[in-house]
Amino acid sequence: AAGVIQSPRHLIKEKRETATLKCYPIPRHDTVYWYQQGPGQDPQFLISFYEKMQSDKGSIPDRFSAQQFSDYHSELNMSSLELGDSALYFCASSFQSETQYFGPGTRLLVL
Amino acid sequence: GDSVTQMEGPVTLSEEAFLTINCTYTATGYPSLFWYVQYPGEGLQLLLKATKADDKGSNKGFEATYRKETTSFHLEKGSVQVSDSAVYFCALSDRSPRGSTLGRLYFGRGTQLTVWP
Repeated sequence: AAGVIQSPRHLIKEKRETATLKCYPIPRHDTVYWYQQGPGQDPQFLISFYEKMQSDKGSIPDRFSAQQFSDYHSELNMSSLELGDSALYFCASSFQSETQYFGPGTRLLVL
Repeated sequence: GDSVTQMEGPVTLSEEAFLTINCTYTATGYPSLFWYVQYPGEGLQLLLKATKADDKGSNKGFEATYRKETTSFHLEKGSVQVSDSAVYFCALSDRSPRGSTLGRLYFGRGTQLTVWP
């Protein structure tokens, strides 16, 4: 069965640089969620989109923005990167906001 | 607010031992409860879920029962295998701000399970 696709899988950036993470949901899923998992931590909710509209917002820094496009894929844009942004970023998708299925994650390292 | 409290790890067991990982929750509405598993270097995989009180979720020999009276969703397996070694996360999802569907997931801190042959 098709799963959630995230790209890139690994990313290394310098402080103050910008990064863009992409998420391709399971076909026919209409809801996308973004989570951040720091080293040894539980995943923390950042933001979600339902039918291309922002549906919920969590602890997402103002330096980050996200959107969902007409083909339902989503992008998380991160600017002015800080060392503390180093983490595993997960995207999850669901149909009509029911059970969430996660992608493999993008591991971001900020140097 | 909503939260999940999960048994601290790490948990180390011998193969074929009985496993219990405790999970309790606090929720303002009527949450659905989940267990996710994370194998080394991989993403989160849904292990099982329960959507209302007294429901039992089960998968791959793992079970958990939604206990509203004790606000618990403990994970159990009768006989663990080396391949079960992973980090296990308990999570809940309450109604969305729009009130009609599930929203964000709240996770526990995760429990590292190591099974020795």
